[in-house]
Amino acid sequence: NAGVTQTPKFQVLKTGQSMTLQCAQDMNHEYMSWYRQDPGMGLRLIHYSVGAGITDQGEVPNGYNVSRSTTEDFPLRLLSAAPSQTSVYFCASRGSTNYGYTFGSGTRLTVV
Amino acid sequence: AQKVTQAQTEISVVEKEDVTLDCVYETRDTTYYLFWYKQPPSGELVFLIRRNSFDEQNEISGRYSWNFQKSTSSFNFTITASQVVDSAVYFCALSERYQTGANNLFFGTGTRLTVIP
Repeated sequence: NAGVTQTPKFQVLKTGQSMTLQCAQDMNHEYMSWYRQDPGMGLRLIHYSVGAGITDQGEVPNGYNVSRSTTEDFPLRLLSAAPSQTSVYFCASRGSTNYGYTFGSGTRLTVV
Repeated sequence: AQKVTQAQTEISVVEKEDVTLDCVYETRDTTYYLFWYKQPPSGELVFLIRRNSFDEQNEISGRYSWNFQKSTSSFNFTITASQVVDSAVYFCALSERYQTGANNLFFGTGTRLTVIP
């Protein structure tokens, strides 16, 4: 049982490049979310999904796209990376009992 | 709107001292959940506790204890006899039931705890 798996763990992008951060969970959780963590700002919600085919915006969605074609996967796409997107990104999932979300180990992204 | 305030940015204590991390929240919902997460230097987020708004009983788990007081909108976390392994950033978080059903987490800005040997 791997929990929530994020890839890659580290990434350096040039401004304007695109990439996809991968997130997969094997717990059959309905709810999945993406957060970014910046110094002094805690974690902020980017996008979330309440089930396959359903996504919605969080607090800081600009510059990011998501889709949820399967229960297991919830990729986060950066269409044109900007230095302001330098951050640590966490994917999380939870089942219907609303016990604490399970977080992935994070992806540290640097945009130069 | 929901808000979580962790006024203590950084705390340093000497090993074996007790330390309390403060968390104050704001919400319009009557049904909500409060969480504490630990982020050690390795960077992962570790779930510590969840509390729902109808349960104000304090909870103890080993050296950890939590004090939930609705009257002051606080959910404080105490570590007794601190150890070096407790050094981490601790986040308090809130989720509200009325929102979409997703119960997304809203985080405070975190408190960095350093335990000095």
